[in-house]
Amino acid sequence: DAKTTQPPSMDCAEGRAANLPCNHSTISGNEYVYWYRQIHSQGPQYIIHGLKNNETNEMASLIITEDRKSSTLILPHATLRDTAVYYCIVRVYNQGGKLIFGQGTELSVKP
Amino acid sequence: GAVVSQHPSWVICKSGTSVKIECRSLDFQATTMFWYRQFPKQSLMLMATSNEGSKATYEQGVEKDKFLINHASLTLSTLTVTSAHPEDSSFYICSARVGGTGQLNTEAFFGQGTRLTVV
Repeated sequence: DAKTTQPPSMDCAEGRAANLPCNHSTISGNEYVYWYRQIHSQGPQYIIHGLKNNETNEMASLIITEDRKSSTLILPHATLRDTAVYYCIVRVYNQGGKLIFGQGTELSVKP
Repeated sequence: GAVVSQHPSWVICKSGTSVKIECRSLDFQATTMFWYRQFPKQSLMLMATSNEGSKATYEQGVEKDKFLINHASLTLSTLTVTSAHPEDSSFYICSARVGGTGQLNTEAFFGQGTRLTVV
């Protein structure tokens, strides 16, 4: 299974862009990168996913490098409610597409 | 996004009793559901993959006789913690994936979790 590496914690000022990096150097060509976040004592919330092209939705943008060995999740205008643990996950291609969670990045958005 | 509902949100039970947790996909059919456990200050740990109409696939180290999983319909999977002990106290979370087994680029949605406390 492809593993991901994320910084354990990051701070961001409210209103500024939050850029969360993720390394996944062993990713296979057909494996997708998924991002979820978990606010304390809740179930994870889906944010975005991609294969090799950059993706954008109403929540965030996902930038994947050309060699696909790393990616960055961008929250364009962070708010206090974006404080959460963010998980970058490479989806397992077989076995029903299960999601294996790493330790994630604890993002603190400060006023 | 699609909605996954867990019930109950929290439960307290006595040691030695069994507890059943339900996971429902409310507005879509889920061929595959997943069960996770999360201890305080830790990440989610996958326990098992639940497939509708067949036996669940358990991750290494997870006791299948203790954590019984049933996925009898396309919208419901249940996890039963049998003979619960205080060390089973944890946050249990289910997830359901949109789409069939051949569509692996679809997102999975999570329930709100169930806080189990065994006393």
